[in-house]
Amino acid sequence: AQSVAQPEDQVNVAEGNPLTVKCTYSVSGNPYLFWYVQYPNRGLQFLLKYITGDNLVKGSYGFEAEFNKSQTSFHLKKPSALVSDSALYFCAVRDEMWGSARQLTFGSGTQLTVLP
Amino acid sequence: DAMVIQNPRYQVTQFGKPVTLSCSQTLNHNVMYWYQQKSSQAPKLLFHYYDKDFNNEADTPDNFQSRRPNTSFCFLDIRSPGLGDAAMYLCATSRDRLAGYNEQFFGPGTRLTVL
Repeated sequence: AQSVAQPEDQVNVAEGNPLTVKCTYSVSGNPYLFWYVQYPNRGLQFLLKYITGDNLVKGSYGFEAEFNKSQTSFHLKKPSALVSDSALYFCAVRDEMWGSARQLTFGSGTQLTVLP
Repeated sequence: DAMVIQNPRYQVTQFGKPVTLSCSQTLNHNVMYWYQQKSSQAPKLLFHYYDKDFNNEADTPDNFQSRRPNTSFCFLDIRSPGLGDAAMYLCATSRDRLAGYNEQFFGPGTRLTVL
């Protein structure tokens, strides 16, 4: 089975401070990991993904994520938060051993609020 | 710009009155998905098409149907909407189902209200 957990429903951070949105996963094989962002009344927007290789993945809008196999985590980070980063963030996983046979499993989402 | 388009953005229907939501894409992707999302929860996959091959999720109610007449268009039909079907419906595409690492591209969604 594949699963993903976002332990925080809500994260608040001051503008200019670093932000972290946490994600942990469980798969049988190797994971394909994704982060998506959703602004109010909009669809999900792809931010970045980990397939293999370098554990630090850089994505859109200055976001990055670090894959940690021993801790089964894929936390989303940004060095300096902007008010415009306020949105709902979803982590998602697919187990490599199933390939296309299993669809993406999404986390429950984390609402990020960046305070001016 | 290549994109995923959903029409209408907002749809109001009456309890039990059939409704159709539409999705089109200019990305020429093989795979198209329909998700249901309620109240900022995780999107829930209803079904997907790989080319013309339809794949229904086991827990998708029979009330939900889909059609994909060509590569570019996909429709979601709700035969008899109930109050519990009020939600945001998201269409997404990806390049190739066989490569599990391909990201999905989402449309802006259609918010369905059932009166």
